Amino acid sequence: QSVLTQPPSVSGAPGQRVTISCSGSSSNIGNNAVNWYQQLPGEAPKLLIYYDDLLPSGISARFSGSKSGTSASLAIRDLLSEDEADYYCSAWDDSLNGVLFGGGTKLTVL
Amino acid sequence: QVQLQESGPGLVKPSQTLSLTCTVSGGPITRGSYYWTWIRQPAGKGLEWIGRIYASGGTNYNPSLKSRVTISRDTSKNQFSLKLTSETAADTAVYYCARGNTLVNAHYFDSWGQGILVTVSS
Repeated sequence: QSVLTQPPSVSGAPGQRVTISCSGSSSNIGNNAVNWYQQLPGEAPKLLIYYDDLLPSGISARFSGSKSGTSASLAIRDLLSEDEADYYCSAWDDSLNGVLFGGGTKLTVL
Repeated sequence: QVQLQESGPGLVKPSQTLSLTCTVSGGPITRGSYYWTWIRQPAGKGLEWIGRIYASGGTNYNPSLKSRVTISRDTSKNQFSLKLTSETAADTAVYYCARGNTLVNAHYFDSWGQGILVTVSS
């Protein structure tokens, strides 16, 4: 059902910067804010970014979010091995009248 | 700090009804600024929003599941529940309950339960 499109996987070496994209449409990203979640192996998702670029309390400033038009991006700088996880974008969809998630992106730290 | 905990059977027979409960601690589910949500994740797959119940008791559901879903609450126990009828193997997933929050046009989930695996099998 995902109409928020993410790359299935990205990778980077420790210390590098990686970005994960999330592409949508005017009924979701184009008209509503984007949120990002991190899901470590075997754990529940955790809120990473909300309202496009805001960090919840306790989240490292190595994570940042941005949005332009109907696309959004999550950037992770100074990559650590502990960042290896699945990352999901989400947004409200006006047509669905509900929350959509992207298909998820698996980040591998080389 | 709010905490959420899912409970319910881990195994459901095909065509039967799945019933799960989420117990919330650390704040009342009737607090007006939040809503309470169910989300599921089949093994190795992504997240799917099932629906939500507002602090007022109103609900809205994912259209793809709407005909089979009911989310309700018991304010005396500070719990909310999910019922999903006519179960099939496609409903096998980890089910999460979560607290929803809204900021302008951002709808996000800031606290999650640990999840409960539900398998649909005879």
